[in-house]
Amino acid sequence: QKEVEQNSGPLSVPEGAIASLNCTYSDRVSQSFFWYRQYSGKSPELIMSIYSNGDKEDGRFTAQLNKASQYVSLLIRDSQPSDSATYLCAVGKTPLVFGKGTRLSVIA
Amino acid sequence: DAGITQSPRHKVTETGTPVTLRCHQTENHRYMYWYRQDPGHGLRLIHYSYGVKDTDKGEVSDGYSVSRSKTEDFLLTLESATSSQTSVYFCAISEGRRETQYFGPGTRLLVL
Repeated sequence: QKEVEQNSGPLSVPEGAIASLNCTYSDRVSQSFFWYRQYSGKSPELIMSIYSNGDKEDGRFTAQLNKASQYVSLLIRDSQPSDSATYLCAVGKTPLVFGKGTRLSVIA
Repeated sequence: DAGITQSPRHKVTETGTPVTLRCHQTENHRYMYWYRQDPGHGLRLIHYSYGVKDTDKGEVSDGYSVSRSKTEDFLLTLESATSSQTSVYFCAISEGRRETQYFGPGTRLLVL
């Protein structure tokens, strides 16, 4: 059974802090990794994709992948109240397996 | 935004009636997916398609069927709706094996 695990949260961070979201996965042959953001009542939207070990930065977001440890994370720098949402980790090839998501709350 | 629409956006129906949800894309992507999302369960794959008339089951396919007669349309049918199928249904598309999926706006279905 392919599984993707995330802490459900809520994760509360003060405005301006770094939010760290984590995800572990069970399928060692997974090749692609994604982070989605989902606001309440809305559909998931892609934030980052990462395919190789290491870090990938896009603005305030950094995705980190460690295939040996089967671990992928998302760092959000200078967190804003507008970042408050549920963050979904997705892993795999076809089809993707989604974690249940981590709810992030950024406190002003 | 990826060109994905879902219809209807909201639907209330009664137990035992058939229901069809439609997903339409303008991106000419090969893969299309149907998910349901429920509190505590996250996104769960119902069925997906990798081409016209090519479909496969996901983890929660019982009670659902799909059809894809054109690249742009993927239909999800609840053959006899049950209250356990009350959920939010999302369609998604992806172009190729790298699997970046883009989601439609969702359909809220209530089965009474």
